[in-house]
Amino acid sequence: DIVMIQSPDSLAVSLGERATINCKSSQSVLYSSNNKNYLAWYQQKPGQAPKLLLYWASTRESGVPDRFSGSGSETDFTLTISRLQAEDVAVYYCQQYYTTPQSFGQGTKLEIK
Amino acid sequence: QLLESGGGLVQPGGSLRLSCAASGFSLDNYAMSWVRQAPGKGLDWVSVIDVTSSYIFYADSVKGRFTISRDNSRNTLYLQMNSLSGEDTAVYFCAKNTAGWLQPLDFWGQGVLVTVSS
Repeated sequence: DIVMIQSPDSLAVSLGERATINCKSSQSVLYSSNNKNYLAWYQQKPGQAPKLLLYWASTRESGVPDRFSGSGSETDFTLTISRLQAEDVAVYYCQQYYTTPQSFGQGTKLEIK
Repeated sequence: QLLESGGGLVQPGGSLRLSCAASGFSLDNYAMSWVRQAPGKGLDWVSVIDVTSSYIFYADSVKGRFTISRDNSRNTLYLQMNSLSGEDTAVYFCAKNTAGWLQPLDFWGQGVLVTVSS
């Protein structure tokens, strides 16, 4: 099974500053036949369902602000939120959908400093 | 919209059947998944079913106890949960895969709470 580990577990960033969340998978999630990384990022605000932000590691879901970006390949991935806004306070999860059982990281709680 | 129902309080060893009714789109074009979240914890992938129910996969923690199914004619997804224990206490979300079963989850229900306790 693929294990997803996020770092840090929590993060406090000032408004307008950059937030960076890392995600590491225990094995590569890059599918060689299509050169796609089967990695998604989700945002979950308190009392709400998760929301898809990015998929294929770096493709932004429709309607997601461009201050959210993703990078990385194979086993190491990063979610970057540039110019943090108050509405970005949430828990962020990475997920591999490369194989079953699919798996999520443990989550990173993002707060305002 | 995805609307889950069927949650509630159940005793250890008991059973529950969750339903997830879709409206505004047709389920029969998409794989569907269940994801759960224990109180104060992270997301835990449970199961996925493809469009024709030919491919079905489970997390090891629920294999042999939970059964995912779908009725495309009713536009509804199900999760039959048997032999429940306290570790199954969670909010259960149904979610739509963007396409097939190896795809991200682009639309989620609001979740239904399952509490396993005597």
